[in-house]
Amino acid sequence: KNQVEQSPQSLIILEGKNCTLQCNYTVSPFSNLRWYKQDTGRGPVSLTIMTFSENTKSNGRYTATLDADTKQSSLHITASQLSDSASYICVVSAKNSNYQLIWGAGTKLIIKP
Amino acid sequence: DADVTQTPRNRITKTGKRIMLECSQTKGHDRMYWYRQDPGLGLRLIYYSFDVKDINKGEISDGYSVSRQAQAKFSLSLESAIPNQTALYFCATSDPGSFGPQHFGDGTRLSIL
Repeated sequence: KNQVEQSPQSLIILEGKNCTLQCNYTVSPFSNLRWYKQDTGRGPVSLTIMTFSENTKSNGRYTATLDADTKQSSLHITASQLSDSASYICVVSAKNSNYQLIWGAGTKLIIKP
Repeated sequence: DADVTQTPRNRITKTGKRIMLECSQTKGHDRMYWYRQDPGLGLRLIYYSFDVKDINKGEISDGYSVSRQAQAKFSLSLESAIPNQTALYFCATSDPGSFGPQHFGDGTRLSIL
């Protein structure tokens, strides 16, 4: 069964600190993996999208990694800011006729001053 | 103005009522989607449309119907609402090369009593 699991469910860190969010998937055949940021009361916003051949992709202070062999991805946030408080969602696309998306439940990140 | 606009933003209604959620977009994208988000779960696809004459069921289409009135408009209907349809509903759009939703609206919070 195609699944995406994220850890931790929630995380609290102090402003200025770094953190890493994890995503494990069992989706096959794999097409791509993306990370979204969802602010409270808003729709998800795409941060990065990675294909099979990409190991690392950055978007400002956000860096995503992908290990297609172990089926793991991480999202690293550097020098966190209060505005980083949000849910971060990992989504994996299956390479079938409709490029089915399998959504993780997200990690809720809280940045404290 | 928002690229993807959903109306209403909040709705409380009673079991058995017919409800329509509306979505309009200014992105010029052909592809539009309706998703449902429940606490602790990933987003689930209800229906999607790749152009005005194309309607496709997602993973949880039972109890829902859609209408694609124009390229820019995609509405979701609950013919006879039931309490377990209480959720946050998102509309999204994408262009053909994106392999999935790119731009989300800010959601409609629907409560069915």
